[in-house]
Amino acid sequence: AQSVTQLGSHVSVSEGALVLLRCNYSSSVPPYLFWYVQYPNQGLQLLLKYTSAATLVKGINGFEAEFKKSETSFHLTKPSAHMSDAAEYFCAVTLYGNNRLAFGKGNQVVVIP
Amino acid sequence: DAGVIQSPRHEVTEMGQEVTLRCKPISGHNSLFWYRQTMMRGLELLIYFNNNVPIDDSGMPEDRFSAKMPNASFSTLKIQPSEPRDSAVYFCASSPGTGGQPQHFGDGTRLSIL
Repeated sequence: AQSVTQLGSHVSVSEGALVLLRCNYSSSVPPYLFWYVQYPNQGLQLLLKYTSAATLVKGINGFEAEFKKSETSFHLTKPSAHMSDAAEYFCAVTLYGNNRLAFGKGNQVVVIP
Repeated sequence: DAGVIQSPRHEVTEMGQEVTLRCKPISGHNSLFWYRQTMMRGLELLIYFNNNVPIDDSGMPEDRFSAKMPNASFSTLKIQPSEPRDSAVYFCASSPGTGGQPQHFGDGTRLSIL
């Protein structure tokens, strides 16, 4: 079964600094990978997805993620953090033919002015 | 495009009462998921449907919880009787159902059982 690991439940970043959230997956076959963002009192919103096309995926709000098969990773980055990036971020994985997503435990991002 | 619509947004009720949460998936999506989110346990999948048929209900906590999907545009999650430990945010999500597609989430129902 596929699974996702996100380390560090809380991540603090200074405004204007790099945002880096790590995601490692476990899967026996090529996976489909997603990053979601959850703002307070809202549902999860899709940030970006990897579906076996380009390994560098660009998403909304200036975020991007790179799929590295050799490292089984799909880390999320944003060059310059903004106060509005304060939210919880979830990495998720699924396989073709399987509708069920396996979510990581999430990273709560705090942006320090 | 209309997203996943959940109602009510907030529900406060007393222990022992029946609670019904409602969800309208995105039109054309044939997979529907119910999740529960708490601080302690994070995001948990309760049950999911494919073409209105329950596929996996292993996440349903106990017999007090039940879910139905009578047609492609409507699903309910019912708790009877409710208990304080059921307090959480309940999300509904839908997806097109083909492999590798993302799920689209509603804004959730914040449930408080007193």
